[in-house]
Amino acid sequence: GENVEQHPSTLSVQEGDSAVIKCTYSDSASNYFPWYKQELGKRPQLIIDIRSNVGEKKDQRIAVTLNKTAKHFSLHITETQPEDSAVYFCAASPNRDDKIIFGKGTRLHILP
Amino acid sequence: DAGVIQSPRHEVTEMGQEVTLRCKPISGHNSLFWYRQTMMRGLELLIYFNNNVPIDDSGMPEDRFSAKMPNASFSTLKIQPSEPRDSAVYFCASSSRTGPNEKLFFGSGTQLSVL
Repeated sequence: GENVEQHPSTLSVQEGDSAVIKCTYSDSASNYFPWYKQELGKRPQLIIDIRSNVGEKKDQRIAVTLNKTAKHFSLHITETQPEDSAVYFCAASPNRDDKIIFGKGTRLHILP
Repeated sequence: DAGVIQSPRHEVTEMGQEVTLRCKPISGHNSLFWYRQTMMRGLELLIYFNNNVPIDDSGMPEDRFSAKMPNASFSTLKIQPSEPRDSAVYFCASSSRTGPNEKLFFGSGTQLSVL
């Protein structure tokens, strides 16, 4: 089955700097890669997703890149702000059965 | 729409007791997922349903765990008997299958503490 590895587990960046979170997946059949943000005490919420037919997608300050050959994908947050502090989860989904498997999460701290 | 509704929000029980967690998915969604969240393991998929039918329960940790979806608007996750290592936040999520791999909408979770 699918296995998703996520790094780093914790990341601290200065406000205004960029943050990068990386994930790898094992199942070459996976074709959907969402990212979820979970604020303290809240539920995870989708912030951006990418499908395997594109290599990059951008939405304001966040972007995702996908390298299908290497089976890895990344989340980039530019001009970080205090409200970006949260836990971020990457995930992968094999098309054949639609289950969504999550990485273990990255706790992002934005330092003032 | 009120979103995915889970109950109870918090559950404190003693080891050996039966625990039942409840979920009402978003109306019109026909896929439902149960996840367990811990610091060590992150978000683990326990089981998911499509059109009320269990599709994959390979994530259910032991026979002590069972899940049902008797109709499109209700699902339960039961633990019997409960153990301290079951303490975690249990999330229910639903999605629409109008297209493949659609966005998950999570409930607010049930914080379970087994003493």
